[in-house]
Amino acid sequence: AQSVTQLDSHVSVSEGTPVLLRCNYSSSYSPSLFWYVQHPNKGLQLLLKYTSAATLVKGINGFEAEFKKSETSFHLTKPSAHMSDAAEYFCVVRPPLGGYNKLIFGAGTRLAVHP
Amino acid sequence: DVKVTQSSRYLVKRTGEKVFLECVQDMDHENMFWYRQDPGLGLRLIYFSYDVKMKEKGDIPEGYSVSREKKERFSLILESASTNQTSMYLCASKGVAGGNEQFFGPGTRLTVL
Repeated sequence: AQSVTQLDSHVSVSEGTPVLLRCNYSSSYSPSLFWYVQHPNKGLQLLLKYTSAATLVKGINGFEAEFKKSETSFHLTKPSAHMSDAAEYFCVVRPPLGGYNKLIFGAGTRLAVHP
Repeated sequence: DVKVTQSSRYLVKRTGEKVFLECVQDMDHENMFWYRQDPGLGLRLIYFSYDVKMKEKGDIPEGYSVSREKKERFSLILESASTNQTSMYLCASKGVAGGNEQFFGPGTRLTVL
């Protein structure tokens, strides 16, 4: 069965420092992987997605993620945090074999950014 | 831009009441989804629909039903609300083409007293 684990429930950084949000997945085959962001009182917004093309994926707002099959990881990074990045982030896997468009969500990582 | 709207941002109901949560999308998407979001659990799929009048159970369908009479509208129904259904409910839609992105509404925070 496919699953996704976000290794940190909370991450706190200072403005201007790098961001690292960690995600590991389990899948028998190469899945599609996504990162979504949810700002307070807002719906989820797609940050980026990996669908078996380039392993380094660039997303919106300066975020990027690298797919590492050997480590079954898809960590989200940003070189320099901004106050507006404070939000909850979800790593999501779409299994390659499925009868429908099922997404499996991680538990989420809440990112706090301090001045 | 795709727009997914939900009928209420906040809702308070009493145990045993019948509750309707409405979702409308404006992009002619075939697929629509209902999730609930709880702290530490991420999003869990309740039901989804891949066409008008078609529905399939997700991972946690117990205590819920759905209705899709028109393509743009997908309703979640709690036949008899219980306190353990207090949660954030998110609706999403997705077209057949255009990759795997699901577009989400802002959510309805339901409290059952």
